[in-house]
Amino acid sequence: AAGVIQSPRHLIKEKRETATLKCYPIPRHDTVYWYQQGPGQDPQFLISFYEKMQSDKGSIPDRFSAQQFSDYHSELNMSSLELGDSALYFCASSSRPGQTYEQYFGPGTRLTVT
Amino acid sequence: AQSVTQPDIHITVSEGASLELRCNYSYGATPYLFWYVQSPGQGLQLLLKYFSGDTLVQGIKGFEAEFKRSQSSFNLRKPSVHWSDAAEYFCAVGARGGGADGLTFGKGTHLIIQP
Repeated sequence: AAGVIQSPRHLIKEKRETATLKCYPIPRHDTVYWYQQGPGQDPQFLISFYEKMQSDKGSIPDRFSAQQFSDYHSELNMSSLELGDSALYFCASSSRPGQTYEQYFGPGTRLTVT
Repeated sequence: AQSVTQPDIHITVSEGASLELRCNYSYGATPYLFWYVQSPGQGLQLLLKYFSGDTLVQGIKGFEAEFKRSQSSFNLRKPSVHWSDAAEYFCAVGARGGGADGLTFGKGTHLIIQP
């Protein structure tokens, strides 16, 4: 079965640079979620989109922004990168929020900020 | 706001022995409850979920979990563990808001399997 696709899988950036992470949800899933998982930490919810509209917002820094496009893929844009942004970034997708609620996670993008 | 507590940071179990991982949640009503498993450097795989109905839910890989409203718990069990079960296990709670709400995860339990 098709899964959530994230690209790139690994990304190395320097401080103060920008990064763009991409997420392609499972076909027919209309909801996308972004999570950040620091080393040895639990995943922290950042933001979600349903039908291309922002739905819920968690602990997303102001330096980060995200959007969902007409084909339902999503991009997380990160600016003025800091060393503390080094983490595994997961995208998850689901269909019909509030009904079928399972979130299916992608393999993650490992961001290293040097 | 909801929260999740996984009291055990590490658990060591002998291969073939039974397993129980504890999870307690805090939420104003009955939440959506999940268990995810994560191998090192990998993504999160959904083991099982509870939405409503039967409080004993079956999942993949021989796992099951029981929702106990009176104890605000959703403990994960497996009758006989295999070496391949060694991983990080996360309990998560989701709100019943009807929107695309993010999940709140516990800190995780690291499962070690002894031969």
